[in-house]
Amino acid sequence: GQQLNQSPQSMFIQEGEDVSMNCTSSSIFNTWLWYKQDPGEGPVLLIALYKAGELTSNGRLTAQFGITRKDSFLNISASIPSDVGIYFCAGQLGNYQLIWGAGTKLIIKP
Amino acid sequence: GAVVSQHPSRVICKSGTSVKIECRSLDFQATTMFWYRQFPKQSLMLMATSNEGSKATYEQGVEKDKFLINHASLTLSTLTVTSAHPEDSSFYICSARAALAGSTDTQYFGPGTRLTVL
Repeated sequence: GQQLNQSPQSMFIQEGEDVSMNCTSSSIFNTWLWYKQDPGEGPVLLIALYKAGELTSNGRLTAQFGITRKDSFLNISASIPSDVGIYFCAGQLGNYQLIWGAGTKLIIKP
Repeated sequence: GAVVSQHPSRVICKSGTSVKIECRSLDFQATTMFWYRQFPKQSLMLMATSNEGSKATYEQGVEKDKFLINHASLTLSTLTVTSAHPEDSSFYICSARAALAGSTDTQYFGPGTRLTVL
């Protein structure tokens, strides 16, 4: 099915470093979402974006909804061990169905 | 708010048996619930959309007679995998749409059910 282009696929970083990942689409979305999924768990909503250009923070996480409504990025500042997991972007359609990115696996080196 | 539970969290069954998975919205009413399956190292794949009191809408390629969905109340949807086979082994995740005051109007996910068919 339709998928968003999410990059990078995986990241190996040192604890304390900042992290950046992004998603792009050929389609316009009215809502962009960022989820985190831990192994064996369901996705947990981190940030929801509703307006083009919107910049929203949730603690050390910051996400922006691109002006064209076809892209979004997520930044994590000063990463800590519990940030490890898989991060998914998702574009929400009008019927509340989600189009998913392939995920970014974050691995933190001790 | 917006908590979704699933039961069971893990199930192992023999080939040919049927397995029922429950999805509940604990602190809100969900007119719409979604069922996904997820294979290792992959993203979530939508199987069906379930609206309370009506038949589920299945995605292309998902057999409705194989994956029975019932959404009998505003807080409960069930997925029954009928005559399960090893290829049905997967991680099944439900979500519920929440539109609550102070919450984001989007999908909130359950913790998932790991199905293993022997």
